[in-house]
Amino acid sequence: DVKVTQSSRYLVKRTGEKVFLECVQDMDHENMFWYRQDPGLGLRLIYFSYDVKMKEKGDIPEGYSVSREKKERFSLILESASTNQTSMYLCASRSFWADTQYFGPGTRLTVL
Amino acid sequence: DQQVKQNSPSLSVQEGRISILNCDYTNSMFDYFLWYKKYPAEGPTFLISISSIKDKNEDGRFTVFLNKSAKHLSLHIVPSQPGDSAVYFCAATRGGADGLTFGKGTHLIIQP
Repeated sequence: DVKVTQSSRYLVKRTGEKVFLECVQDMDHENMFWYRQDPGLGLRLIYFSYDVKMKEKGDIPEGYSVSREKKERFSLILESASTNQTSMYLCASRSFWADTQYFGPGTRLTVL
Repeated sequence: DQQVKQNSPSLSVQEGRISILNCDYTNSMFDYFLWYKKYPAEGPTFLISISSIKDKNEDGRFTVFLNKSAKHLSLHIVPSQPGDSAVYFCAATRGGADGLTFGKGTHLIIQP
């Protein structure tokens, strides 16, 4: 079974703080993704990576950055958290040879 | 512009009956379509997918139909069970390393 884990299920941060969200997958997948889910908006792609040290902007990258130093780990960074970044953050991974993405349990981030 | 649309925010179906969830897309470059199921405070779980070269894919109680000319797909659940109550997301991709483009979701409620 594919296992995607995220470092925290719930996180509360203050405006202006630097926030790190970590994601680890154990299936040796090449591609990894970060989405956010907001009520009435579905899931929106923030950033993705198709290989170590590679990154691509998704649909809503503003205010975020990412890091992929190892194949199994993909980090999402909020350089200076703002209240409009309060959301559910979902990490996913996928083999390069398949289209199905597998998701982690999500991190509910609240920025006060 | 919304490239994947789920026009029904919610759907209520009686237990044992058929649930039909609909999805429309506008981007003709999409060639792979997926359905995910999501419970509150959990990550999406992959349900079923279909390639653009097919018009039907079946897996147990779940069947996905694709009408390429109409740019429309639907998910049929027969028979509906209480555990099927969840939010269902339709997603599409052009393949390669691209992320998924999601609809806004349909909240399916199975009534006893």
